[in-house]
Amino acid sequence: QKEVEQDPGPLSVPEGAIVSLNCTYSNSAFQYFMWYRQYSRKGPELLMYTYSSGNKEDGRFTAQVDKSSKYISLFIRDSQPSDSATYLCAMWGISGGSYIPTFGRGTSLIVHP
Amino acid sequence: SAVISQKPSRDICQRGTSLTIQCQVDSQVTMMFWYRQQPGQSLTLIATANQGSEATYESGFVIDKFPISRPNLTFSTLTVSNMSPEDSSIYLCSVWTSGSSYNEQFFGPGTRLTVL
Repeated sequence: QKEVEQDPGPLSVPEGAIVSLNCTYSNSAFQYFMWYRQYSRKGPELLMYTYSSGNKEDGRFTAQVDKSSKYISLFIRDSQPSDSATYLCAMWGISGGSYIPTFGRGTSLIVHP
Repeated sequence: SAVISQKPSRDICQRGTSLTIQCQVDSQVTMMFWYRQQPGQSLTLIATANQGSEATYESGFVIDKFPISRPNLTFSTLTVSNMSPEDSSIYLCSVWTSGSSYNEQFFGPGTRLTVL
């Protein structure tokens, strides 16, 4: 079992839909939970990160962490064609005294007009 | 924020050769990070580069294969040595900066390497 599981998609939705992107993980020692957006042929862009269970909202984006279920989600409201990208989740835990990330493979999102 | 540039943006190399990738940041940062993104695979941290000390490598990566230099607080290089087709990947440089209320992570645009 991989430490972080993420459905690669693609996930295709109409403009204006609510998008739900998810990751599961197996290592209970992970402390930080992050979401990145990566456009084609670009580097990833950090969208949001959370430290504990619960919700965090930033504009149209909401990150949700459920540590008891080892499950994290990213919700995108009122999705736009410009949201079409690959979304990566990452869990950060301490290894050798430093925080080290473990990434999911990414979910490809397509928002069509 | 931080703006990161990488050179080259892409390259096609023959097996057995080496390629050095440059990463330039527009501000001084303590640590710079090198990642690999293989086709269809997760983004993986290769090593952390501190100025004035040896880089710290993650499991599965060794200095002989991926030597790193960090001559100052705005620049780093990653060399992919004795390349094989399995090294075909996108190599990314990243930094963290301290914001007013939280830290932020930035990535360069990546170097797309193909090894024949």
